[in-house]
Amino acid sequence: NAGVTQTPKFRVLKTGQSMTLLCAQDMNHEYMYWYRQDPGMGLRLIHYSVGEGTTAKGEVPDGYNVSRLKKQNFLLGLESAAPSQTSVYFCASSWAGNNQPQHFGDGTRLSIL
Amino acid sequence: DAKTTQPTSMDCAEGRAANLPCNHSTISGNEYVYWYRQIHSQGPQYIIHGLKNNETNEMASLIITEDRKSSTLILPHATLRDTAVYYCIVRVVSGQGTYKYIFGTGTRLKVLA
Repeated sequence: NAGVTQTPKFRVLKTGQSMTLLCAQDMNHEYMYWYRQDPGMGLRLIHYSVGEGTTAKGEVPDGYNVSRLKKQNFLLGLESAAPSQTSVYFCASSWAGNNQPQHFGDGTRLSIL
Repeated sequence: DAKTTQPTSMDCAEGRAANLPCNHSTISGNEYVYWYRQIHSQGPQYIIHGLKNNETNEMASLIITEDRKSSTLILPHATLRDTAVYYCIVRVVSGQGTYKYIFGTGTRLKVLA
């Protein structure tokens, strides 16, 4: 059971380039989340999804887009990367309903030059 | 949103109990307290959560004060592998019937041999 898998693990981009981060979960969870973590800080929520075909904004959504075309996948896109988006990105998933903990992947380390 | 306050760092001798405090004085009645830990730069690992009663599982115990303004995570017999950053998180209701985690900066626990 792989849990939550993030692809790629590392990436370096130039300012203005675009890319997509992929999150896949094999636990049949309804909810999925994207966070970013900057040095010395806790995680901040970017976007989340409560089901296939639905997405919503979190605390820091600007500069990012997401899609959830399949239940098991949640994609995070950067249309025009900026140095301020250099961060570690974590994906998480959980069951729907009250009292369900989120399960996290091991992150994607993204550097924007 | 409720926020948490934790000590920046703590040390604990191997084999001893590690008691990690957390203040969440603005927590609302229906907001849960969750604890996660992050080892090196891996994804956060779920430990335990609670609302108002004390909780125990195979990893740890969670003690929540009667007024719910603070809590303590207890690792009963700390090992070197418990060295990590521990996050006390308040889970608040978000849109679309889901929840979001409000992360603080965490406590860096170092278990000493």
